[in-house]
Amino acid sequence: QITLKESGQALVEPTQTLTLTCSFSGFSLNTSGVGVGWIRQPPGKALEWLALIYWDGDNRYSPSLRSRLTITKDTSRNQVVLTMTNMDPVDTATYYCAHRAYTSSSFFDYWGLGALVTVSS
Amino acid sequence: SYVLTQPPSVSVAPGQTARITCGGYNIGSKSVHWYQQKPGQAPVLVVYDDTDRPSGVPERLSGSNSGNTATLTISRVEAGDEADYFCQVWDGGSAVFGGGTKLTVL
Repeated sequence: QITLKESGQALVEPTQTLTLTCSFSGFSLNTSGVGVGWIRQPPGKALEWLALIYWDGDNRYSPSLRSRLTITKDTSRNQVVLTMTNMDPVDTATYYCAHRAYTSSSFFDYWGLGALVTVSS
Repeated sequence: SYVLTQPPSVSVAPGQTARITCGGYNIGSKSVHWYQQKPGQAPVLVVYDDTDRPSGVPERLSGSNSGNTATLTISRVEAGDEADYFCQVWDGGSAVFGGGTKLTVL
């Protein structure tokens, strides 16, 4: 059974750095083809993909946020960490991590419950 | 960057058929995935690779994809189908989501 859970700061001040951790179970990031992604959703708005890290350490970022994002993995602890610098109130959102599945393309078949992050002074 | 366009809302009476579209340039050449999200909950995958359903998803939900439009069809709509629905593709190394459609069951 695959499960994921997000944790990190619930409140961040403008210009600060956000650090979110995704702790997962039921799969290993050592396994070929496996990936973990981050997706966010501002209140009442659409989903926005942020980043993805693959089993081999390769990663992908949203072109519009690339300069602010870093995604890393700790395979031994079954965790993926996302950092986002220079936070702004418009970054207020629920942040989800998700297990990436692949057939003919990538999609997200298991999601965490999400972590609400508020950016405010 | 690739853009996916969904209608903001679709309304349907119980027992009828709902069709939610996802438009994108030559989207028929891509694999489209659909997520259902109920209020206060995380998204749930309901269709992947245009037409496939994860185990546990009712056969009433089906997908199609051709030309510039992908469609999620929900037959015999029930009150429990009321939710937001998002389409997603993978383009140029990035995941792209549509703006979402709110399905209202009248």
